Amino acid sequence: AQTVTQSQPEMSVQEAETVTLSCTYDTSESDYYLFWYKQPPSRQMILVIRQEAYKQQNATENRFSVNFQKAAKSFSLKISDSQLGDAAMYFCAYRQHGGSEKLVFGKGTKLTVNP
Amino acid sequence: EAEVAQSPRYKITEKSQAVAFWCDPISGHATLYWYRQILGQGPELLVQFQDESVVDDSQLPKDRFSAERLKGVDSTLKIQPAELGDSAMYLCASSLGLRREAFFGQGTRLTVV
Repeated sequence: AQTVTQSQPEMSVQEAETVTLSCTYDTSESDYYLFWYKQPPSRQMILVIRQEAYKQQNATENRFSVNFQKAAKSFSLKISDSQLGDAAMYFCAYRQHGGSEKLVFGKGTKLTVNP
Repeated sequence: EAEVAQSPRYKITEKSQAVAFWCDPISGHATLYWYRQILGQGPELLVQFQDESVVDDSQLPKDRFSAERLKGVDSTLKIQPAELGDSAMYLCASSLGLRREAFFGQGTRLTVV
């Protein structure tokens, strides 16, 4: 079974600084997707960024970028120019291509942004 | 902006009672998911529907949990009888299809006392 591990239960960053959240995963598949989701307090989970495993180029979305290392099964999220609104739980998730294509989540990292 | 609607937002129930949650996906979304998120953990899939058919319910405790999506639109998740360990956030999500982005509702926080 696929597993997703987030080794940082909590992280903090100063406003306007850069922070990197770590994620590793375990799979025997070659075709899959990886995601970072953000869950603000008392609000719904929203997709931050996604990466297709077959693409070598790292995905970017404005201030958010990933470092995808397929061989190492590593998928980290970098947040640049951190803003107070970035404070949330961040979940790394894996989705296999084929089958039910369900999302498998890590346990999350709580990000605090200090003014 | 279209959203996944869930009700109630909060539910407190006594152990051994029945409880039900409702989810209305974004219009046109064929795939619907129910996830359970225990405090401090990531969400875990309970059941997934494609239209009115169950695609994956391998992690659904079928002795006490049931889910239906009779007309392929809204869905109900039921627990009977509720146990203390069922206290969690129950999240509903929907997507246009299996390989499309999933959109989440705000969830129902269940407390079993």
